[in-house]
Amino acid sequence: QKEVEQNSGPLSVPEGAIASLNCTYSDRGSQSFFWYRQYSGKSPELIMFIYSNGDKEDGRFTAQLNKASQYVSLLIRDSQPSDSATYLCAEGGLYNFNKFYFGSGTKLNVKP
Amino acid sequence: DAGITQSPRHKVTETGTPVTLRCHQTENHRYMYWYRQDPGHGLRLIHYSYGVKDTDKGEVSDGYSVSRSKTEDFLLTLESATSSQTSVYFCAISESDRDYGYTFGSGTRLTVV
Repeated sequence: QKEVEQNSGPLSVPEGAIASLNCTYSDRGSQSFFWYRQYSGKSPELIMFIYSNGDKEDGRFTAQLNKASQYVSLLIRDSQPSDSATYLCAEGGLYNFNKFYFGSGTKLNVKP
Repeated sequence: DAGITQSPRHKVTETGTPVTLRCHQTENHRYMYWYRQDPGHGLRLIHYSYGVKDTDKGEVSDGYSVSRSKTEDFLLTLESATSSQTSVYFCAISESDRDYGYTFGSGTRLTVV
């Protein structure tokens, strides 16, 4: 059984700070990782994905993957109150009917 | 908005009754999925489909069945609803079978009393 672990939070950061969200996974063979944002009462929406070790940047977001240590992180620079949401980490997809295993999410609060 | 809709949005049903949730897409995507979301458990895969009449079980499929007779529709049936099936159900679609993010529907909040 694959496991994706996230700290449920809440993680509170002041506006303008860097928010760091972390995720660990159990399957050493996992290849691809996705981050979704979910506002309260809404459906998840894709933020970004990462396949290779290292960093991947997209605007204010940076995903980091370390396969040796089996963790994935999402950094949000210049955090805004509108970033307040639950962030879901997911792994899987490759050669597996695009099925994903999701973590339970980390709730982020950005305080003005 | 992406062309994926779920119906109903909310439903309250009694224990032991059958319930069918519908997911409809206009994107002509081959892959469709049903997940449930519960506090502390995140999203868990119930069933998925990789084509018309092609479906398979996910990690929490007991008590659920699915059907896909058309590309655009994927139905989830709770054969005899139980209180443990009270949850938020999300349908998702994917263009590819590898490394593609999902587009999710708006969700169905189901309460079994």
